[in-house]
Amino acid sequence: DGGITQSPKYLFRKEGQNVTLSCEQNLNHDAMYWYRQDPGQGLRLIYYSQIVNDFQKGDIAEGYSVSREKKESFPLTVTSAQKNPTAFYLCASSIQGQGGYEQYFGPGTRLTVT
Amino acid sequence: GESVGLHLPTLSVQEGDNSIINCAYSNSASDYFIWYKQESGKGPQFIIDIRSNMDKRQGQRVTVLLNKTVKHLSLQIAATQPGDSAVYFCAENQLGGNNRKLIWGLGTSLAVNP
Repeated sequence: DGGITQSPKYLFRKEGQNVTLSCEQNLNHDAMYWYRQDPGQGLRLIYYSQIVNDFQKGDIAEGYSVSREKKESFPLTVTSAQKNPTAFYLCASSIQGQGGYEQYFGPGTRLTVT
Repeated sequence: GESVGLHLPTLSVQEGDNSIINCAYSNSASDYFIWYKQESGKGPQFIIDIRSNMDKRQGQRVTVLLNKTVKHLSLQIAATQPGDSAVYFCAENQLGGNNRKLIWGLGTSLAVNP
């Protein structure tokens, strides 16, 4: 089955610790995205990557970092600099980084920082 | 039932009724529109898309209507079922533009009463 996997589904961390969220896709998609979703809210773009070894900041990149060393993987690190990291994190991919292509989403990771 | 989806309103309908979810999009240059369904605790799932050279597109039990004059998009669900209960998001983009610029609405919560 082709798709996007995110792990773990739930993640708990202490304040001040960095944490890395995994995102893997076997759809052979060029573009990948990370979104943050807060309760009762829409999606906000954190980072995106249109091709391997390239990525760009989204609308709320502060306190986050990413890498894109492989086409199928786009891990997100939530650093201690992120002031309010507790949220639902969604990874997505699309065939291309151009407009006009739907984004496919993973199941999400719910991060709780205390 | 019918709603305007700008501030995550809730639309409550009876099972078997038709549902209409509305979305006012923001960018007059947008020419590609997508509807997503998000069930609680899961990632958004693609429902249907439409390009600006069309004003109507039908899928299985769903119809999307586009009115470019007033920048309005609607999703109609026929014979609504309990499994349709979810938050529905509209998203807009520009064909050939950067898919990073997929603009998300805030969502509308659909509750189906048995």
